[in-house]
Amino acid sequence: GAVVSQHPSRVICKSGTSVKIECRSLDFQATTMFWYRQFPKQSLMLMATSNEGSKATYEQGVEKDKFLINHASLTLSTLTVTSAHPEDSSFYICSAAGLAGETQYFGPGTRLLVL
Amino acid sequence: AQSVAQPEDQVNVAEGNPLTVKCTYSVSGNPYLFWYVQYPNRGLQFLLKYITGDNLVKGSYGFEAEFNKSQTSFHLKKPSALVSDSALYFCAVTGGGNKLTFGTGTQLKVEL
Repeated sequence: GAVVSQHPSRVICKSGTSVKIECRSLDFQATTMFWYRQFPKQSLMLMATSNEGSKATYEQGVEKDKFLINHASLTLSTLTVTSAHPEDSSFYICSAAGLAGETQYFGPGTRLLVL
Repeated sequence: AQSVAQPEDQVNVAEGNPLTVKCTYSVSGNPYLFWYVQYPNRGLQFLLKYITGDNLVKGSYGFEAEFNKSQTSFHLKKPSALVSDSALYFCAVTGGGNKLTFGTGTQLKVEL
């Protein structure tokens, strides 16, 4: 149980384009989903927390207009990187927590490369 | 503010030997502590957690961790390491809210 998927696993795009990443909880209802960014050989940096049906809460320094988050259902959250630039290239990981909330289950990550 | 320290960037151990990956934490209130493992180019896999109860927590793949309140530690242990245990290990803490704070990670290398 507690499986979280992400799609795509890898994406290469041109500078200026937008990229959408999907995060799905496959076998449980995720009341809260989290989006992280991980740089090479570094820890995870929380970008935002989203609750189903409400606006995401962004961490300090994360541009909400650049990283659009939608959590439309209890099993799906999306992160859209708008007008991507090479400095947005990174490994993006989502996680989901159920009603009990204390354990986050992570997706396999999405490798974004912006040329 | 909550924080996690993983003092070792890398731990090397021979297969069959016991392993320990260290973690200390700082949090207001009662800690919720977690260990996750990450394989290359993959997300994090949940290993175990401490919320309350017995200080020795058993998790996946033979791993266990001991919560020590006086030392504010939550070291990860395994009695007999396997080469397949080689990966990046993250300790994380929350003070009861849903926002996890991660340590910087410890690379475990198990050699034959």
